[in-house]
Amino acid sequence: GAVVSQHPSRVICKSGTSVKIECRSLDFQATTMFWYRQFPKQSLMLMATSNEGSKATYEQGVEKDKFLINHASLTLSTLTVTSAHPEDSSFYICSARGTDYEQYFGPGTRLTVT
Amino acid sequence: AQTVTQSQPEMSVQEAETVTLSCTYDTSESNYYLFWYKQPPSRQMILVIRQEAYKQQNATENRFSVNFQKAAKSFSLKISDSQLGDTAMYFCAFMTPSGTYKYIFGTGTRLKVLA
Repeated sequence: GAVVSQHPSRVICKSGTSVKIECRSLDFQATTMFWYRQFPKQSLMLMATSNEGSKATYEQGVEKDKFLINHASLTLSTLTVTSAHPEDSSFYICSARGTDYEQYFGPGTRLTVT
Repeated sequence: AQTVTQSQPEMSVQEAETVTLSCTYDTSESNYYLFWYKQPPSRQMILVIRQEAYKQQNATENRFSVNFQKAAKSFSLKISDSQLGDTAMYFCAFMTPSGTYKYIFGTGTRLKVLA
């Protein structure tokens, strides 16, 4: 149990376009989901905390207008990178919090902006 | 604010040997959780072991065990009988069960198991 999926696993987009990443909890309901960004050989950096039915809470330094997060249901959260630029290229990971406080992680999405 | 420190950026161990990864943390909270996650080349985060701060007994999961020293704020991971599949990044994480429940991650230790 406690499976989290992410779609797509890889995406390439042109500079200036927007891209949406989906995060789904497949076998449990998640009131809270988290979005991370990870650069090569570095740790996970929390971008925002997403609560179902309310606005996301962004970490300091994360542009909320650039990284739009929507958590419309108990099993789905989306991250939209708006007007993407090459510096937004990274590995994005989502997680969903279970009832036992533990976070269950998705497999990640590799975004490349050309 | 809570912090998590992993002082060993890289480590290597011979197959079948034992290795210990260190993690220290700083907090004024009394109730919290600690985790070790493994991130293999696939980059999927995999939970290795978790420890509740209120439990004095060290957690174990097969070949993986922790040495939890609450007073010293230390949470090391011991991997016994190391296998080639243990090669990965290992992250220590801290979480308080209140508010946002967000994790504070350490910088990670890259472990390589040598044949």
